[in-house]
Amino acid sequence: DQQVKQNSPSLSVQEGRISILNCDYTNSMFDYFLWYKKYPAEGPTFLISISSIKDKNEDGRFTVFLNKSAKHLSLHIVPSQPGDSAVYFCAASGVGAGSYQLTFGKGTKLSVIP
Amino acid sequence: KAGVTQTPRYLIKTRGQQVTLSCSPISGHRSVSWYQQTPGQGLQFLFEYFSETQRNKGNFPGRFSGRQFSNSRSEMNVSTLELGDSALYLCASSSAPLAGGTYNEQFFGPGTRLTVL
Repeated sequence: DQQVKQNSPSLSVQEGRISILNCDYTNSMFDYFLWYKKYPAEGPTFLISISSIKDKNEDGRFTVFLNKSAKHLSLHIVPSQPGDSAVYFCAASGVGAGSYQLTFGKGTKLSVIP
Repeated sequence: KAGVTQTPRYLIKTRGQQVTLSCSPISGHRSVSWYQQTPGQGLQFLFEYFSETQRNKGNFPGRFSGRQFSNSRSEMNVSTLELGDSALYLCASSSAPLAGGTYNEQFFGPGTRLTVL
C-alpha cells in the first residue's frame, strides 16, 4: 500500500513559468512533509519542508502548500529555471509500517524548457 | 565539511552471493539511514541506526541487515542476493534520529549501484 503518491511521473514547463508538483498521502499520522530534488548520479537533496500544523511554507522561489483535509501537498516553483530540471520526491515523516521513517513518493521528473 | 560518502559506487554480483556496502556520514552526525531506490518502487526505507543501535526498520526481509560502528560509519549487508535486489542503495546521515514532532534534515550520499546477475 503506497502511503505517499506522486501521480505525475513527469512534467514539462517553460522557463519563467510556474511549476506545480503534486503529492497525496494516506497516513494521517505523518507530522512533517518534505520535498527532495535529485539530479542523475547524485543523492537526493533536501529542498523544503512543512510541519503538519502549518498550511504554507516559503523559501525563495519555492513554496509548499499543505491541505490536511484533502491529504494533499504541492510544491510551487516560481519562476522556473532550467537548473530546476530534476526528479522531485515528496516525502512524509512519521510512523509507517510500525516504525518511524521517511516515506517517499516515486518522484516526478520536471523538465524546464529554455 | 565533507559530505556523505558511500563505497563502492558500483558493484556487480551474481545471485546467491552476499554483498556489503559502506557509508561514512557527515562528521558529527550520529544517525545513518539506508534506502533502496528502484524504478518501480521509488525510494524505500530500509533501516536507521543511531549510536550503534538500530532504531527504526522498514518492511524488508531479514536478508537485509546493517550495523553501525562507534565512529558512526555504517555498513549494510544483503545475503543470498536475488535479481530483484538490483537497485541504487542510498545512505543518509542526520545529526539526530528520526522521531516524532520534529524533523532533522537528512543528507544523502551519491549511492551504490548494485547489479545482480
